[in-house]
Amino acid sequence: SQQGEEDPQALSIQEGENATMNCSYKTSINNLQWYRQNSGRGLVHLILIRSNEREKHSGRLRVTLDTSKKSSSLLITASRAADTASYFCATGSGGSYIPTFGRGTSLIVHP
Amino acid sequence: ETGVTQTPRHLVMGMTNKKSLKCEQHLGHNAMYWYKQSAKKPLELMFVYNFKEQTENNSVPSRFSPECPNSSHLFLHLHTLQPEDSALYLCASSQATEQYFGPGTRLTVT
Repeated sequence: SQQGEEDPQALSIQEGENATMNCSYKTSINNLQWYRQNSGRGLVHLILIRSNEREKHSGRLRVTLDTSKKSSSLLITASRAADTASYFCATGSGGSYIPTFGRGTSLIVHP
Repeated sequence: ETGVTQTPRHLVMGMTNKKSLKCEQHLGHNAMYWYKQSAKKPLELMFVYNFKEQTENNSVPSRFSPECPNSSHLFLHLHTLQPEDSALYLCASSQATEQYFGPGTRLTVT
């Protein structure tokens, strides 16, 4: 399994703005997940997208997957200070849902 | 609250000590995991258990010894650790797809 790489490493925005984070990976996957981690805490699963899906929504979250470009994006709309956290993409391949995590994007939302 | 608890939340130990980390999941999941999270590094998968059987050991040094007595409990026994083992140790469980993480144990080796 290979890890995704998130971009940017850090993102600082004002409350109400949209936040976009990207994830790129190198080899074929069958699923990609996004997780959030508040400082020093465990990770929380946000959304899973399978390789045959192009877009998924969950509340203010929108995830896209482009398998031809080997990339995914996570969009958080109308951000809030409570969205301040690190966001990780995690890839799964070969029929496995055991994710391999990237280094994450650190998002700060200023009130 | 994710349904996965970890104790202790913080642990400071000397290099000659022996200690254990405990994880319990109340979700009825069949798989449990240990991860290590160090600063500036991706989350590292250490061990995977499925139905109490170890299915993955990602070249983890023998000073880390996992134990899974049943599908709800997972331990990580620590002995003769090194300062570079200081990290956040996360436990997770899953049934099929997404993983549910505990809050982690912040370990400091002095």
